[in-house]
Amino acid sequence: DAGVIQSPRHEVTEMGQEVTLRCKPISGHNSLFWYRQTMMRGLELLIYFNNNVPIDDSGMPEDRFSAKMPNASFSTLKIQPSEPRDSAVYFCASSSRGTSDNEQFFGPGTRLTVL
Amino acid sequence: AQSVTQLGSHVSVSEGALVLLRCNYSSSVPPYLFWYVQYPNQGLQLLLKYTSAATLVKGINGFEAEFKKSETSFHLTKPSAHMSDAAEYFCAVTAGGGADGLTFGKGTHLIIQP
Repeated sequence: DAGVIQSPRHEVTEMGQEVTLRCKPISGHNSLFWYRQTMMRGLELLIYFNNNVPIDDSGMPEDRFSAKMPNASFSTLKIQPSEPRDSAVYFCASSSRGTSDNEQFFGPGTRLTVL
Repeated sequence: AQSVTQLGSHVSVSEGALVLLRCNYSSSVPPYLFWYVQYPNQGLQLLLKYTSAATLVKGINGFEAEFKKSETSFHLTKPSAHMSDAAEYFCAVTAGGGADGLTFGKGTHLIIQP
């Protein structure tokens, strides 16, 4: 299995620009999670989906952030407009809800730098 | 709501010595607990997990952790450190059978001295 795939791996953009991060979960997994990692705040859950439906978006910092999961094999996290404080590593993870295996498999992350 | 506290942002041990990374949790429901490892510029890899079965959990790379409800702890240990163990370690908790999002501790950077 290819694992969780994230793109791009690195993104450098200027303040005010729109940024879209992409995630392909492991085939057959029905839960998808977006996390953000910063030095100051550590790893934080932003939002997660079960069967393509957003369940908990309480971690989304502001209305500038939005996430979608149009189908079981693809999700996006969009920031519009981006700000320097959004600079972080964004991780996507997937798991198979409803099984005894509760492991979340993480992608390699997208390192976002907003200038 | 859940929370995790990892004592010690940096832990340094000599190669061959015991590794002990501390994790205390807070949860209003029976928790599911995890230890993840992160190598530089990589994602997180699961070391081990507690899901209400055996309280002593064995994981990969010789690591193990013991769930102690009375102490609300889930400390990670390894009898003999190896240079390749140098990494960032995260303790995490979730409820809902583990199907919900994870709440992570701040992480502990493990340094291995030759």
